[in-house]
Amino acid sequence: GNSVTQMEGPVTLSEEAFLTINCTYTATGYPSLFWYVQYPGEGLQLLLKATKADDKGSNKGFEATYRKETTSFHLEKGSVQVSDSAVYFCALIPNQAGTALIFGKGTTLSVSS
Amino acid sequence: EAGVVQSPRYKIIEKKQPVAFWCNPISGHNTLYWYRQNLGQGPELLIRYENEEAVDDSQLPKDRFSAERLKGVDSTLKIQPAELGDSAVYLCASSASDFQETQYFGPGTRLLVL
Repeated sequence: GNSVTQMEGPVTLSEEAFLTINCTYTATGYPSLFWYVQYPGEGLQLLLKATKADDKGSNKGFEATYRKETTSFHLEKGSVQVSDSAVYFCALIPNQAGTALIFGKGTTLSVSS
Repeated sequence: EAGVVQSPRYKIIEKKQPVAFWCNPISGHNTLYWYRQNLGQGPELLIRYENEEAVDDSQLPKDRFSAERLKGVDSTLKIQPAELGDSAVYLCASSASDFQETQYFGPGTRLLVL
């Protein structure tokens, strides 16, 4: 079946530290991959996405590369800010019409100044 | 452009009581999703609508859950009767079309069943 596995949290970093949140997936075919972010008290927001192998999604300094050979989509940021504190969800849509997002469990990031 | 609107934001009820959640998607979005998010977990799909048709309700517990999307716009999700295990955040999302389009989420309704 289709599934997403994320690294366990919480992740606690100091401001300006480098961030990596690991995400691996299991899917038949060629899924589209997403990172969503949930800030405290707010709804889920799309952070970035990639729809085919070797694509790199990027937004707000965050990046993730679709690696089919390792079935991974790790989220990275070179220098985190306090405002990046949130819960990050990796998700996929299987490459077939008419399916919903399949999410990982989420990783909580806490950045201190 | 207004985002996905949900109400109420919070609801506390006694078990065995009914409860309903309402969602207004982004204007022009044909596809509407209801997800449930348990504490410490990612959201899981309950039902997906394409216009007014429920095209995927395989994960909806039909003995107590029901949903409708009249006229292909607003949607209501109902639980009757609620159980303790239904305590969760209920999320509504919409997208412009069905195939791998970006889904936009509402703020959710946090339900607590006592």
